[in-house]
Amino acid sequence: GQNIDQPTEMTATEGAIVQINCTYQTSGFNGLFWYQQHAGEAPTFLSYNVLDGLEEKGRFSSFLSRSKGYSYLLLKELQMKDSASYLCAVMDSNYQLIWGAGTKLIIKP
Amino acid sequence: IAGITQAPTSQILAAGRRMTLRCTQDMRHNAMYWYRQDLGLGLRLIHYSNTAGTTGKGEVPDGYSVSRANTDDFPLTLASAVPSQTSVYFCASSPSGGRADTQYFGPGTRLTVL
Repeated sequence: GQNIDQPTEMTATEGAIVQINCTYQTSGFNGLFWYQQHAGEAPTFLSYNVLDGLEEKGRFSSFLSRSKGYSYLLLKELQMKDSASYLCAVMDSNYQLIWGAGTKLIIKP
Repeated sequence: IAGITQAPTSQILAAGRRMTLRCTQDMRHNAMYWYRQDLGLGLRLIHYSNTAGTTGKGEVPDGYSVSRANTDDFPLTLASAVPSQTSVYFCASSPSGGRADTQYFGPGTRLTVL
């Protein structure tokens, strides 16, 4: 079956760095997406990786290793507004997104 | 309108009633999607449409139907609601279906079936 695993919850300190991991097993692979979702709001797009390596976008970076079925989202210089859930999703061979349950990130002052 | 709108924002519904959740986008995206989001689970695809006039079943289609009469609108109908359909429903769209395009989400509808 298809499976996306990510930690349920993580806690970090304002100004620090946090890495959110995602492992996947899917039927085919057409890229991996990261979304941010604040409580009670819609998911919003953060990043897309289809090739191995690191993609950097401001304070956020995303890494992909296709051979290991592994990705991480790296958040630097954490701000209180980064408190949210981070959703990992893989696009399978049918171009449908398979979603992880999300990682709730709690930022403490 | 900017982006995707959904209506209603929230609804409490008696079991057995019929309900249509509305979704409209103004981005001229070809593909649209309906997901449900439940605590502890990832978003699950209910139905999708890659272009006006076509629809397809997702992971959890039972009890739901959709139509795509035009590019902008993609309503989701619960013919006879059951308590297990209590969830937050998100509509999304992307420029194309069948490609690795980013999906953009509406604000969601919180539905409670009693």
